[in-house]
Amino acid sequence: EAGVVQSPRYKIIEKKQPVAFWCNPISGHNTLYWYRQNLGQGPELLIRYENEEAVDDSQLPKDRFSAERLKGVDSTLKIQPAELGDSAVYLCASSPFRASSYNEQFFGPGTRLTVL
Amino acid sequence: DAKTTQPPSMDCAEGRAANLPCNHSTISGNEYVYWYRQIHSQGPQYIIHGLKNNETNEMASLIITEDRKSSTLILPHATLRDTAVYYCIVRGVTSGTYKYIFGTGTRLKVLA
Repeated sequence: EAGVVQSPRYKIIEKKQPVAFWCNPISGHNTLYWYRQNLGQGPELLIRYENEEAVDDSQLPKDRFSAERLKGVDSTLKIQPAELGDSAVYLCASSPFRASSYNEQFFGPGTRLTVL
Repeated sequence: DAKTTQPPSMDCAEGRAANLPCNHSTISGNEYVYWYRQIHSQGPQYIIHGLKNNETNEMASLIITEDRKSSTLILPHATLRDTAVYYCIVRGVTSGTYKYIFGTGTRLKVLA
């Protein structure tokens, strides 16, 4: 079974430029998450989707970040314009629907963004 | 949401048991304890989770104290491939959605 796919793996841009990250979750997983991980820190949730609906975007900096999950499968996270402080690893994760409270998230390898 | 406290780093000899502690003194009755690990340049990987009882799977054992204020992840026979950052997470419910709150984790180094 293929895991969570993310692209690109690495991205270097200059500040004020736009950037986009793409995620393809595990087939059949209806929940998709975007996390940001700063160096030496644990991941922080940016947004969570249940199918096409963003059910938790409270930590997403909406002035410059946007995300979409059209058709409830692939997702794109965009930053426009990027700032120096946006340099981090952006992780995508997915999980299947479970009626119980058990929730295992499957993470992709991440996209390492460097803003110069 | 409950927060967790973990030692920043630990060393373990290859073949020995690695015992990774976690403090979650503010945990609520319906919050689960999850453990993930992150090997360099990879995304986090699920290890094990529990609510009240001790749990064991093919990767590890999870020991939760009776008052649920702390837990220990045990890797019974650590190998070099177990070198990673280990995250203890209390999965809370915020505004009706389940949320993981990662701390800074414990960096485990398994020594040959």
